[in-house]
Amino acid sequence: QVQLQESGPGLVKPSQTLSLTCAVSGDSISSASYYWTWIRQPAGKGLEWIGRISGTGSTNYSPSFQSRVTISVDASKNQFSLELTSVTAADTAVYYCARDYWGLEYWGQGALVTVSS
Amino acid sequence: QAVLTQPSSLSASPGASASLTCTLRSGINVDTYKIYWYQQKPGSPPQFLLKYKSDSDKQQGSGVPSRFSGSKDASANAGILLISGLQSEDEADYYCTIWHSGGVVFGGGTKLTVL
Repeated sequence: QVQLQESGPGLVKPSQTLSLTCAVSGDSISSASYYWTWIRQPAGKGLEWIGRISGTGSTNYSPSFQSRVTISVDASKNQFSLELTSVTAADTAVYYCARDYWGLEYWGQGALVTVSS
Repeated sequence: QAVLTQPSSLSASPGASASLTCTLRSGINVDTYKIYWYQQKPGSPPQFLLKYKSDSDKQQGSGVPSRFSGSKDASANAGILLISGLQSEDEADYYCTIWHSGGVVFGGGTKLTVL
């Protein structure tokens, strides 16, 4: 059974960098078949795709985040990470990681990140 | 204009069928896209329901009941999620997505109320 678990600071100051990690169990993050994805959801609002990385390291980013997002993989720890720079209050949201194969089939439970001084 | 437009809410009665639409922006032809559908209940991550491109190219999510099905309305340039035999547990938010211009695009979601 594939499981994903987000972790990282729940509070980030404005203008700083938001960093989250998604630990994957039950599957190899290095598999060429999958994409490892970050999505976010502000409170009471819809879902927003941030970007993804393949097991081989190729990335796709949403144009909305392109200039300030980096997604990376650490195969030795079987995890992948999100970095979002220059955050503002508008980046406050629940951040989900997910595995994309023929759909976003497996999701983490989500991590709430609040941007506030 | 948004790439994907979903009605913000829909109500239906238990036992009835509900048809949730996902309309693609003019100029984006629904025939060429796989439409993905997700269900999200309060306090939980979304769950993959199904993907649909055509009757010969579709995939049901693991454990998703067959009363959830996908289709398209080419005349409306829309993808459709049909839920038959509505149950109270189907009350949730439903999101559609497509892969467009190098990324995944989400619709704004439809809140389905079963009453």
